[in-house]
Amino acid sequence: GEDVEQSLFLSVREGDSSVINCTYTDSSSTYLYWYKQEPGAGLQLLTYIFSNMDMKQDQRLTVLLNKKDKHLSLRIADTQTGDSAIYFCAESYKRDDKIIFGKGTRLHILP
Amino acid sequence: SQTIHQWPATLVQPVGSPLSLECTVEGTSNPNLYWYRQAAGRGLQLLFYSVGIGQISSEVPQNLSASRPQDRQFILSSKKLLLSDSGFYLCAWSKNGASGNTGELFFGEGSRLTVL
Repeated sequence: GEDVEQSLFLSVREGDSSVINCTYTDSSSTYLYWYKQEPGAGLQLLTYIFSNMDMKQDQRLTVLLNKKDKHLSLRIADTQTGDSAIYFCAESYKRDDKIIFGKGTRLHILP
Repeated sequence: SQTIHQWPATLVQPVGSPLSLECTVEGTSNPNLYWYRQAAGRGLQLLFYSVGIGQISSEVPQNLSASRPQDRQFILSSKKLLLSDSGFYLCAWSKNGASGNTGELFFGEGSRLTVL
C-alpha cells in the first residue's frame, strides 16, 4: 500500500536554509506535493512536482525529486520566522484519486 | 472563486453521543471530496473520499461514517463517539477530471472535536 514517511521535527536558525525530507513507497505516484499548515488552520499547497521532473524552483522554495530512491525534499532558503509551521509531504498516483499524506514535519525557527 | 466551509469549528461532546460535521463547497461542480483527521502524533489520516454523489470510499475501519447527499455537501457522522475520536477534522476538495488538473487539495479551516 501507499506510505509516506518524513521526520517529525526540524530546528533551523533564522536565515539558514531548511531542508525537509520525505520518502514514499508508491512507485506509480504521479504527483508529489508539499503542503504547509499554520497553527490551528487547514493545509495550503506550497508546491507540487510531477513525477517526470527532477527539480522545481519557486522563489525561496526548491523541490528535488529522486524517483529511483523515491525521495522528495523541500528546501527553504533564507528561513524566516513566518516559515514556522508543519510541512506535509503527499503523493497521488492518478489525478482523481486519493492523496496520501505523511505525518508532517514541524519546522521550528531558532533566533 | 471556489470556497469551502466546514462547521462547527469547535465542539466538545461526551462519549457515546452522536456527531455530525458538515462541509460544503461553493463555486465548482462535481468536486472530489475528502475527510481527513489529524490526531496528535499521527499526522494526517484519510478517513473518507468521494468522487460523486452517493459514492463514498472508506479508508480506515472505525465507528465513523460519511455521506454525500448533494454534489457539494459532505457530512461526517458517528452514532456513538469514542474517546479516540478526538482530533482535528479537515474537509477538503479537489477538481475532478479537469484537463491539467494537478490533484491539488483545497482544505477547510478544520473542526476540533474533543470527546470527554
